Amino acid sequence: DIQMTQSPSSLSASIGDKVTITCRATQNIFSYLNWYQHKPGTAPKLLVHGASSLQDGVPSRFSGSESGTDFTLTIIDLQPEDFAIYYCQQSYGTPQTFGQGTKVEIK
Amino acid sequence: QVQLVQSGGEVKKPGASVKVSCKTSGYTFSKYGISWVRQAPGQGLEWMGWISGFSGHTNDAYKFQGRVTLTTDTSTSTAYLELKSLRSDDTAVYYCARDENAYNGQDYWGQGTLVTVSS
Repeated sequence: DIQMTQSPSSLSASIGDKVTITCRATQNIFSYLNWYQHKPGTAPKLLVHGASSLQDGVPSRFSGSESGTDFTLTIIDLQPEDFAIYYCQQSYGTPQTFGQGTKVEIK
Repeated sequence: QVQLVQSGGEVKKPGASVKVSCKTSGYTFSKYGISWVRQAPGQGLEWMGWISGFSGHTNDAYKFQGRVTLTTDTSTSTAYLELKSLRSDDTAVYYCARDENAYNGQDYWGQGTLVTVSS
C-alpha cells in the first residue's frame, strides 16, 4: 500500500494566521493527491484535488502544491470556520489511503 | 442539486452482517462511481472500496476482501455496502461519496451511517 505521512498531527493557530500542512507519499503518485476538511458530525469536504486544483466553491485562501512526493496544503488568513481536521488522500493506488490527519485548533 | 442520502444507524452483534444504502439524486448515476469510506471512533478516514455506477465493476481494499460487497441499483440510483462477519472494530461511521475519477477525488458525500457492533 502507498503510505501517506502527514504532519503535524495538530497545530494551534490564530485567526488571520497562515497554516501549512504537509503530506509525503512513499512512492510517486503522479499528482493524484486530494485534501479534505472534516468537522465533527459532518461529512468530509473536498478542498483540493489533483494536488493543486481548488474544488468549486472552496475559498481561495486554500491552496495546494506539490514537489515530487511531498504535498502541501496552505491556508492563509485563517478564519473561524477553518478550525477542523484536514486529511490528505492519495487516489493513485488501490487501496486509496489517507494521511493520519491534522487537527487545526484555535490558539 | 447533488445529494447522497444514507440509511439510518444500525446496531449489530458480532458475526452479523449489515447493509448500508446510499440513495443518490441530482446527477446521472451512471457517469460516476461511488466510494465508501469509514471512520472508527477517534480514528482517521479509511477507504474501503469503489463501485462504478455504469458497469458495477468494483475495486475493494484487500483488507476487506471476502467480507465486503458493493452493489448498485441503477433503477433507483442507489449504492449499497454490505459488510459481513462483523467485529467490534467495525464500529464506525460509514460514508458513501461520489467519485468521478481517481484524479478528482470524492466531491459529494452522504451524511454518514453509524454502525455499532456490540454483544
